[in-house]
Amino acid sequence: QSALTQPASVSGSPGQSITISCTGTSSDVGGYNYVSWYQLHPGKAPKLMIYKVSNRPSGVSNRFSGSKSGNTASLTISGLQAEDEADYYCSSYTSAITGVFGTGTKVTVL
Amino acid sequence: EVQLVESGGGVVRPGESLRLSCAASGFTFDDYGMTWVRQLPGKGLEWVSGINWNGGSTGYADSVKGRFTISRDNGKNSLFLQLNSLRAEDTALYHCARVTCSGGNCYTPVGESFDIWGQGTMVTVSS
Repeated sequence: QSALTQPASVSGSPGQSITISCTGTSSDVGGYNYVSWYQLHPGKAPKLMIYKVSNRPSGVSNRFSGSKSGNTASLTISGLQAEDEADYYCSSYTSAITGVFGTGTKVTVL
Repeated sequence: EVQLVESGGGVVRPGESLRLSCAASGFTFDDYGMTWVRQLPGKGLEWVSGINWNGGSTGYADSVKGRFTISRDNGKNSLFLQLNSLRAEDTALYHCARVTCSGGNCYTPVGESFDIWGQGTMVTVSS
């Protein structure tokens, strides 16, 4: 159950687009379309941003989008806004019938 | 309002036990699997354990297998996590979360994603 690999940090200016990668294996990300993404603001509960690779829950801005290719999933934030500054984690179902999270990415809006 | 509220955290010594609870409201509890996720201090999220809608299927991370036990009481809309033989590395903020699923994966303890989260309860293991 090794954590999925994410870049430690990604930054962008307001209005720009950024992409966060999430790399796993064929036993998790590559094997199932059950990749989800979570936003963490300090002192708040995690918030589901994307589920089943590319689906947005009701209420989540359409500036957030997800995709997957092979063993790597990606979260793209377009039209970056100050409120998007937070930590982001990917998660996947695994072949061991467990969950696994990514190492986390800190998004900074310059 | 859909809500999850955790309780039961505290400061304990290595080797001791704790029982965490998660009270659910605002939705039909026994329609959903549930999970525990912990947030390690200064570090990331770690999936700890999950249970399907009727308690018939449970799963654990290797790091807690044999020490932690997940359970639920659908009559009381409650989820539990029994933490035994606690170690310093178990120190974390423990969140409960609702599991979304469809079709066959509703029989698993993991499902597809975690759509509702509680604020968490802090567990500190220190001598």
